[in-house]
This record gives sequence, structure tokens and C-alpha cells, in this order.
Amino acid sequence: QVTLRESGPALVKPTQTLTLTCTFSGFSLSTSGMCVSWIRQPPGKALEWLALIDWDDDKYYSTSLKTRLTISKDTSKNQVVLTMTNMDPVDTATYYCARTSIAAALNAFDIWGQGTMVTVSS
Amino acid sequence: EIVLTQSPGTLSLSPGERATLSCRASQSVSSSYLAWYQQKPGQAPRLLIYGASSRATGIPDRFSGSGSGTDFTLTISRLEPEDFAVYYCQQYGSSAWTFGQGTKVEIK
Repeated sequence: QVTLRESGPALVKPTQTLTLTCTFSGFSLSTSGMCVSWIRQPPGKALEWLALIDWDDDKYYSTSLKTRLTISKDTSKNQVVLTMTNMDPVDTATYYCARTSIAAALNAFDIWGQGTMVTVSS
Repeated sequence: EIVLTQSPGTLSLSPGERATLSCRASQSVSSSYLAWYQQKPGQAPRLLIYGASSRATGIPDRFSGSGSGTDFTLTISRLEPEDFAVYYCQQYGSSAWTFGQGTKVEIK
């Protein structure tokens, strides 16, 4: 069974750096075709893709946010970490991690974590 | 970056009716890289359709996807009570993934 779980602070102050961890099980990020993404959703708004890391350690970022984002993986711990610098109240959102398995569903996000709500406020 | 525009914003229908949701792209999208998701309040999105027309594991056959180029459609043949939710389309292209703004299917 494939599962993903997000963890990180529920509250950060403006200008701080946010660090989120996605811990997953049921697959390996060293397997060809496997990827993990971060996606966020402000309250009442649409989904926004942020970043993706693949089995070959290639990294892709949202054009509008790439200067603030860093994604990395620790294959031995089955974890993917996202850092976002210079947080602002507009970054308040639920942050999801999600798997892509190219063999199972091409470039879609087939399994999602339950999400973690992050509020940016002083 | 490819922009996806979904219509209508809200669809008011009764159980048993047919729902047709539209997703239009600002430039051509490979059919292999167009997906649809369902999201209920307080829950994570769930993958329904990938590759424009392939149902994800466990998705009932009342959900179907079609389209190519810049115009894609999600059809729910007969709405069940559990189908009232928000639906998002999503595409991959040029090393970036984008979502539409969503269509809410509500009970009439």
C-alpha cells in the first residue's frame, strides 16, 4: 500500500523559511519512473503545483516560485523535503505531497498525502 | 506556461443526471499528459482520469474523459450522491505541471 504523509510547522512568521517533509512508504524513489511533487492549495482556492523531484534526482520548479523553492530527497529514509524561503501571508495554504508513477499513470499525481495546513502570520 | 480554463465554474445538477465538464488549454496539450481529479471538502484530491481518457485504479466507469489538443471533457454519465465535489483538470508540458481553477458540481 502506497502512503505519503506531510509534516512541518503549522505556523510560520513572515520572512521565515518553511521546511516541509514528505515521508512515504510502499514505493522507492530510486525506482525508475517514480517522482514526488509538492502541491499547495490556499483556503477556498485552486491547486498549485510547486516542485517535483524524480528517481534520477532531477528537479523541476514552478516558474513563478523557483527562486524561493528547493526540493531534495533522502532515498534511504523515504523522504522528500521542500524548503520555501521568505514566507508571506499569501503563502498560507494546505501543502500536499503526491506521487507520480510514470508506469501507473504517466505524469499525473496518482497518490496524495492528506496535506498539512501552514499559516503565515506574525 | 500552459493555462487551463475550466467551465462552467459551478454546475447545478440532480442525482442521476449527466455532468459534462470542460477544460480548455491556452496551447496544445499532449493527450498523454491531461488528467482529472475529484476533491471533496477537507480531503486531498483523488486522481480520476489520466492520459485524457484512462480511468485510474478503482474509478467507476460512469467517469469518462475525452478530448485532444486544447479541448478536453470529463463526463459523469449518471451522478451519484458521492459525486458532488470539485473537479480539477491538470496538464504536464515543458517540465511544468498546471491545474485549472476547478468546477464545482453541486446538488440542484
